[in-house]
Formats: sequence, C-alpha cells, structure tokens
Amino acid sequence: AQSVAQPEDQVNVAEGNPLTVKCTYSVSGNPYLFWYVQYPNRGLQFLLKYITGDNLVKGSYGFEAEFNKSQTSFHLKKPSALVSDSALYFCAVRGFSGGYNKLIFGAGTRLAVHP
Amino acid sequence: EPEVTQTPSHQVTQMGQEVILRCVPISNHLYFYWYRQILGQKVEFLVSFYNNEISEKSEIFDDQFSVERPDGSNFTLKIRSTKLEDSAMYFCASIGTGANVLTFGAGSRLTVL
Repeated sequence: AQSVAQPEDQVNVAEGNPLTVKCTYSVSGNPYLFWYVQYPNRGLQFLLKYITGDNLVKGSYGFEAEFNKSQTSFHLKKPSALVSDSALYFCAVRGFSGGYNKLIFGAGTRLAVHP
Repeated sequence: EPEVTQTPSHQVTQMGQEVILRCVPISNHLYFYWYRQILGQKVEFLVSFYNNEISEKSEIFDDQFSVERPDGSNFTLKIRSTKLEDSAMYFCASIGTGANVLTFGAGSRLTVL
C-alpha cells in the first residue's frame, strides 16, 4: 500500500535561513510525488511535483524538492525562508489502486518562520 | 486561471441533519474527488468519481455519504445524517485526462453541533 510520512509536526526556522521539510514515501513502482501548501483558512495549493527526469524539481515561491530514490525521500527545500512561507505543508504520493490520480497525503508539517 | 469552486464556505448544522456540499470542478476535467480534513490534521481521501460513477471510496465514505453529478457542472457530496465527528473541512478536487496535478477548491467547513 502507498503511504507518505512527514516525520516532523513542526519546523521552526529564522527568516533568511534555509529550510527543509522532510518527506518519505512508500509506493510500488515509480512514484509520482507532490507538495501542497495550505495557508490559514485556505485550500490546498500546488507547489511542485516530481514525475520523471531531474531529481531536483523547482516550484512556486522559490521552493524546490529533491527526489532521492535510494532513500525514498522527497524533501522540500528553500534557500532563504520568508515569514510569509509560514503555513502547513503536505507531501503527497499518487495512489495507483483504483481511482485515477488519487493522492495520498502525509500528516502535514507546520512551518513557522520567525523574523 | 481556472478554479474549483466550492459552496458554502462554511455551514453549521445540527446533528442528524442532512447536508449537501457543492462543487463546480474545472470545466474540461473528468475526474472528481472529495477529501476531508479534520481541523489542522491530515487530508484524507473520501471518494473519487469518473464517468458518472464512484471509482474508489475510502472506509470513511460509509452509507451516510453519497456523491452525485446532477448536471454538467456540479459535483455534490451529501451527508445524510450528520454526526459530530463529521465536523471538518471538505475539499473538492478535479483533474483532466492525462494531467498529473489535482486542483483543489478552497474547501467547505462543516460544523456539526
């Protein structure tokens, strides 16, 4: 069965410092991986995806993520955090059983960027 | 940019009442989904829908839940007799054929008293 783990409930980082939000996955076959962000009282916004190709993928708002097949990880990164990046971040993997493109989400990691 | 639209944004209801949450997916999308998020927690898959039928449903999606595409634009989630534990944010999502990214609506917050 496909699953996603986000080992950190919360990540705290100072503005201007690099940030990493961790994600590991378990899936049979080639993974389709996604990051979504949720700002307070808002919906889920797509940040970036890995389907195939370069292991480093770039997305919205300066975020990037590195796909590591051997470690089954897809960590989200940003070189310099902004206070406005504070939000709830969800890693997701595409499920291949049943519903086309069903996403399975991790538990979410709350990112807090302090001035 | 095309959006998935959900109404209402917030609904408060009494336990045992029926609730219908509405979604207008992106117009050329053919696959539709409902997800649920209990406050601040994990986003959980409820059901997927394609070609006017359910393609997959989770354990959460019991007999109290139903989905319908009553016309060419709306996609609804009905909860027949709401329970306190149905209080959550409900997200609708859609995707087009051959695409990889689900587009989510802003959500409908359901509060059951």
